[in-house]
Amino acid sequence: DTAVSQTPKYLVTQMGNDKSIKCEQNLGHDTMYWYKQDSKKFLKIMFSYNNKELIINETVPNRFSPKSPDKAHLNLHINSLELGDSAVYFCASSDLDRPYGYTFGSGTRLTVV
Amino acid sequence: AQTVTQSQPEMSVQEAETVTLSCTYDTSESDYYLFWYKQPPSRQMILVIRQEAYKQQNATENRFSVNFQKAAKSFSLKISDSQLGDAAMYFCAYASGGGADGLTFGKGTHLIIQP
Repeated sequence: DTAVSQTPKYLVTQMGNDKSIKCEQNLGHDTMYWYKQDSKKFLKIMFSYNNKELIINETVPNRFSPKSPDKAHLNLHINSLELGDSAVYFCASSDLDRPYGYTFGSGTRLTVV
Repeated sequence: AQTVTQSQPEMSVQEAETVTLSCTYDTSESDYYLFWYKQPPSRQMILVIRQEAYKQQNATENRFSVNFQKAAKSFSLKISDSQLGDAAMYFCAYASGGGADGLTFGKGTHLIIQP
């Protein structure tokens, strides 16, 4: 069983469209994250959700909205996509009481054309 | 804010040799964790090794070990008996004790293994 699964793995879309990326974890972790990896491979955190509550938001444009229906799921919705949004987006999860490692999904490569 | 610096954009090593990847970090916290992640071309992020700041003993996982120098805020990764499968991007990462801020990553080191 995949610990952290995100779909789709690849997403190609036109500028101005709205898209969503889904993430699910079966590790029982209490915190989930979205990270963005740019074209230079730099990874930066976008959002963190702990027990369905947003706890950080690293100056991400409000076109990006995370939604967590329950603590096992954290989806990322992006409105009015721009060329600069092209990147790889990673979902991850961890347990705040035991940060022994953050488990990552396999990433979603988003290409905006 | 915490920062993580990896000063080696790229490293190359002969198969079966040993290589050390450097990482320094800056923090004012006393409770934190340090990690090395491997990202092969498949782009999967794979945890290689972790170190709790309160532990003086350096972490070891098979051929991977760290040299954790807390006072110097240095956290290097040593890979012994390098194998072709070790070729990847390696990221050093920091997490505060509470963990709520997630991971702060360095810019990565691209490791090339020469056969």
